[in-house]
Amino acid sequence: AQRVTQPEKLLSVFKGAPVELKCNYSYSGSPELFWYVQYSRQRLQLLLRHISRESIKGFTADLNKGETSFHLKKPFAQEEDSAMYYCYHEENYQLIWGAGTKLIIKP
Amino acid sequence: GAGVSQSPSNKVTEKGKDVELRCDPISGHTALYWYRQSLGQGLEFLIYFQGNSAPDKSGLPSDRFSAERTGGSVSTLTIQRTQQEDSAVYLCASSPVEETQYFGPGTRLLVL
Repeated sequence: AQRVTQPEKLLSVFKGAPVELKCNYSYSGSPELFWYVQYSRQRLQLLLRHISRESIKGFTADLNKGETSFHLKKPFAQEEDSAMYYCYHEENYQLIWGAGTKLIIKP
Repeated sequence: GAGVSQSPSNKVTEKGKDVELRCDPISGHTALYWYRQSLGQGLEFLIYFQGNSAPDKSGLPSDRFSAERTGGSVSTLTIQRTQQEDSAVYLCASSPVEETQYFGPGTRLLVL
């Protein structure tokens, strides 16, 4: 079965430190991968879509097919980055979600 | 413009009662999705509507769950004979065909 794994339920880093939120997928084809973010008491928002190769709010994510990973990175964390982050894979209208990582940025 | 809206924002019900959750998608979006988010469980896909095609119901956890989409717009998710394990945040999203999904604020359901 296809899976998306976010191994860390909670990640806590200091402001200004680099951040890496891990996401691994199990799919043999060309994956369609996304990162969503949910700030406290707000709706889910699309953060990144791998095919767009954009940088949003300083975050980037590179698809590594060899490692089957789509880790989310930011070189310098800011306090407003504290939120829940979800990685998911979309294929044939099925959406396979990771369990989410709660990111806490300490001042 | 207006985003996806859901009502009610919060619903408290007693075990065994039926509930209806409503989703108003963005106008013109042909695709509509329902998900639920349970504590520690991440997001779970429930059902997907695309235009006039038969909905993808593969994510519905039991036959107590059903959903309709009337006129290709508003959708209602119905949970019959609610159980405590149904307590979760139910999210609706809409999108143009195979494009980015736009999520509503969710309905927080608590079954006592």
